[in-house]
Amino acid sequence: AQSVAQPEDQVNVAEGNPLTVKCTYSVSGNPYLFWYVQYPNRGLQFLLKYITGDNLVKGSYGFEAEFNKSQTSFHLKKPSALVSDSALYFCAVREPDTGRRALTFGSGTRLQVQP
Amino acid sequence: SQTIHQWPATLVQPVGSPLSLECTVEGTSNPNLYWYRQAAGRGLQLLFYSVGIGQISSEVPQNLSASRPQDRQFILSSKKLLLSDSGFYLCAWSVGQGAGELFFGEGSRLTVL
Repeated sequence: AQSVAQPEDQVNVAEGNPLTVKCTYSVSGNPYLFWYVQYPNRGLQFLLKYITGDNLVKGSYGFEAEFNKSQTSFHLKKPSALVSDSALYFCAVREPDTGRRALTFGSGTRLQVQP
Repeated sequence: SQTIHQWPATLVQPVGSPLSLECTVEGTSNPNLYWYRQAAGRGLQLLFYSVGIGQISSEVPQNLSASRPQDRQFILSSKKLLLSDSGFYLCAWSVGQGAGELFFGEGSRLTVL
């Protein structure tokens, strides 16, 4: 069964510093990997995805993520954090070889960017 | 462009009362549709998904049911709510055959008292 782990409940970073939100996954085949962001009392917004090809994926709002197959990781990164980046971030996985279309989500990481 | 609508946005219901949450998608045809529940502002649990009219897959046994009476309409229901049904319910859609990112509605917050 596919699963995703986000080992940090919360990440604190100062504005202007780089940020990393960690994600590891477990699938039996090749994964499709996703990052979403959620602001309070809102739905989830899609940030980026990895399907195949270049391991470094660029997405919305200056975010990027690096797929590392040997470490089964897909960490979210941004070179310079903004206070407005403070939100709840979710990593998700889909295992296309199974035919399953739904995504399995991690437990979420709260990012707090201090001014 | 495609849009997804969920309603009601908030709902307060007594234990034992019925529930109906509705979700519609515009601007696409034959989408995959999903209901997720988010408890305590954290992880998302898949409740139901549908790949076509009348085709519903249930992920976990529970007090809820789902129906898809039209191509772009997905309804979450309960005959008798439990306290444990409280949460933030999110509807989502994805392209029928594609790389699979989901697009979410704004959610419906249900409080059962």
